[in-house]
Amino acid sequence: DIQMTQSPSSMSASVGDRVTITCRASQGISDSLAWFQQKPGKVPNRLIYAASRLQSGVPSRFSGSGSGTEFTLTINNLQPDDVATYYCLQRKTYPWTFGQGTKVEI
Amino acid sequence: VQLLEFGGGLVQPGGSLRLSCEGSGFMFSNYAMTWVRQAPGKGLEWVAVISGSGDPKYYADSVKGRFTVSRDNPINKVYLQMNSLRAEDTAVYYCVKDWGLDFWGLGTLVTVSS
Repeated sequence: DIQMTQSPSSMSASVGDRVTITCRASQGISDSLAWFQQKPGKVPNRLIYAASRLQSGVPSRFSGSGSGTEFTLTINNLQPDDVATYYCLQRKTYPWTFGQGTKVEI
Repeated sequence: VQLLEFGGGLVQPGGSLRLSCEGSGFMFSNYAMTWVRQAPGKGLEWVAVISGSGDPKYYADSVKGRFTVSRDNPINKVYLQMNSLRAEDTAVYYCVKDWGLDFWGLGTLVTVSS
């Protein structure tokens, strides 16, 4: 199985900061990676697919990059509404696997 | 687009439960459907996926042989039959649209406890 390792596990930042979350795959997955945001008590919501494609309706301050084994989710100009846990997911090989999550606080 | 899950509840270890999910607002038979679960206070875990036609299907190792995913396209429903349930299956189960998981239902809670 492909292991997905996110870092950091949690972080605290200030409004307006740039936040970077990393996801590393235990083997190459090309660009078969998505990022999800789960606000407290809410349903997960897809932010990014195919590693760098922004989901329709998601603010442009969110961006994704990477290919192969290392991927990054960047949040520019962090807003209070961005408080959430963020997960990566690889869909290259079954079983699909999520990262363990990164909790972002302000 | 709307996804409504049904069938969660309390079940004893070793018991069975069938979850259902009804989709609306999209051409249901054209889309794969995925089940993802989340144990209380824990992260997301992919469970199973079924193609739009009903085959192929894929499962997480943790549920293979115990859970079965199926669908009934004429009535826009996907199911998750869960047998030999264990305490570690306790979670909110989400029904999610498409291979890309682009839309999530609200989830249904399954509690496995004596």
